[in-house]
Amino acid sequence: QQQVKQSPQSLIVQKGGIPIINCAYENTAFDYFPWYQQFPGKGPALLIAIRPDVSEKKEGRFTISFNKSAKQFSLHIMDSQPGDSATYFCAFLRPTGNQFYFGTGTSLTVIP
Amino acid sequence: DAGVTQSPTHLIKTRGQQVTLRCSPKSGHDTVSWYQQALGQGPQFIFQYYEEEERQRGNFPDRFSGHQFPNYSSELNVNALLLGDSALYLCASSSGPIFNEKLFFGSGTQLSVL
Repeated sequence: QQQVKQSPQSLIVQKGGIPIINCAYENTAFDYFPWYQQFPGKGPALLIAIRPDVSEKKEGRFTISFNKSAKQFSLHIMDSQPGDSATYFCAFLRPTGNQFYFGTGTSLTVIP
Repeated sequence: DAGVTQSPTHLIKTRGQQVTLRCSPKSGHDTVSWYQQALGQGPQFIFQYYEEEERQRGNFPDRFSGHQFPNYSSELNVNALLLGDSALYLCASSSGPIFNEKLFFGSGTQLSVL
């Protein structure tokens, strides 16, 4: 069983705030690190992803920060909006693998 | 362009029964993976099908079985249902079985075992 630690379990922020969600992993063989967003009643959807050869990636209001030596990576949501309220999952994939390992999820609520 | 479609959306079964869930992959995709998502948890990999064969399997008992058809659609079968099998079952499709970064999920089938 791959060890994936995601925190916090839940998060409440005001509109415009910058929620930060963290993930830690143990297996250094992983080399693809996506974040998925899931709304109630829907399947997860790919939000943004990073490879360990870069330390940061931005796509719109979403930023991944990656710390390879600490085996951690984080999702930052800039100028958060009520529509960002969802559950966020970090995930990992090995280079030769074909299965994703998911974190336990973070429930984000953005208050108007 | 239809995405990944799953049926049924909801299902209620009793312990000991058998269930079949269905999935049609996104157009252009040939690989189907199945995940189980328990309430409040992240998805867990069950298995993956490519070229009508099971390519990889997660830590699930052989009560869980599957099939892939020539049109790439897939079925997940669960025998001898247990209460603990109650979960959201997600189908994900991709192009090719290895290192398939672009994984597209369906909305899932919510299975309740009473």
